[in-house]
Amino acid sequence: QSVLTQPPSLSGAPGQRVTISCTGSSSNIGAGYDVHWYQQLPGTVPKLLIYGDTNRPSGVPDRFSGSKSGTSASLAITGLQAEDEADYYCQSYDSSLTGRYVFGTGTKVTVL
Amino acid sequence: QVQLVESGGGVVQPGRSLRLSCAASGFTFNRYGMHWVRQAPGKGLEWVAVIWYEGSNKDYAESVKGRFSISRDNSKNTLYLEMNSLRAEDTAVYYCARDFSQRMDVWGQGTTVIVSS
Repeated sequence: QSVLTQPPSLSGAPGQRVTISCTGSSSNIGAGYDVHWYQQLPGTVPKLLIYGDTNRPSGVPDRFSGSKSGTSASLAITGLQAEDEADYYCQSYDSSLTGRYVFGTGTKVTVL
Repeated sequence: QVQLVESGGGVVQPGRSLRLSCAASGFTFNRYGMHWVRQAPGKGLEWVAVIWYEGSNKDYAESVKGRFSISRDNSKNTLYLEMNSLRAEDTAVYYCARDFSQRMDVWGQGTTVIVSS
């Protein structure tokens, strides 16, 4: 099972703001390792959305933003649009012995 | 353009073996670490294995340690995943992905592995 916990689902109306949490521990997020976020649109390949906690790759709208504090990180989507309906995953590095790269449990965002 | 193309998936019986390949193009393959990530039907992403750019360092998820082996041939710009003693729970889409500072910045389209008798 994943060591990064996300809410299974969230929903919002177009134009609203939604925030996805990613809760880890002292061996991953709390140890200072970067958090990255991926968007997986229905039936497609995951795509890097946010890297290094807060950075957007070229081409990612500024409606998407990331933050980190303590043992948790968050992805915020402001001005929610229909095309944002997707699964979102956080990912970090873990210093424990059970596997170094860890993904969050994933959050399904539904646009009402 | 930067591209990763997986191949080798299929239907295999429990206990048998399968080798996946990932052909890289559009970037200097031997300068990057590479990952395998899988996604079981209707489930989330699970990291499987990583190999450093030169191929000497590797790491595995506990769920596949001792059964799967990651390797690469930098002369052929190709990444491999040798999967042995396959189980039903290994059924998934397997993606290869490029590592950039512990993130996965380029993904292949995936290849499907079904373990079933």
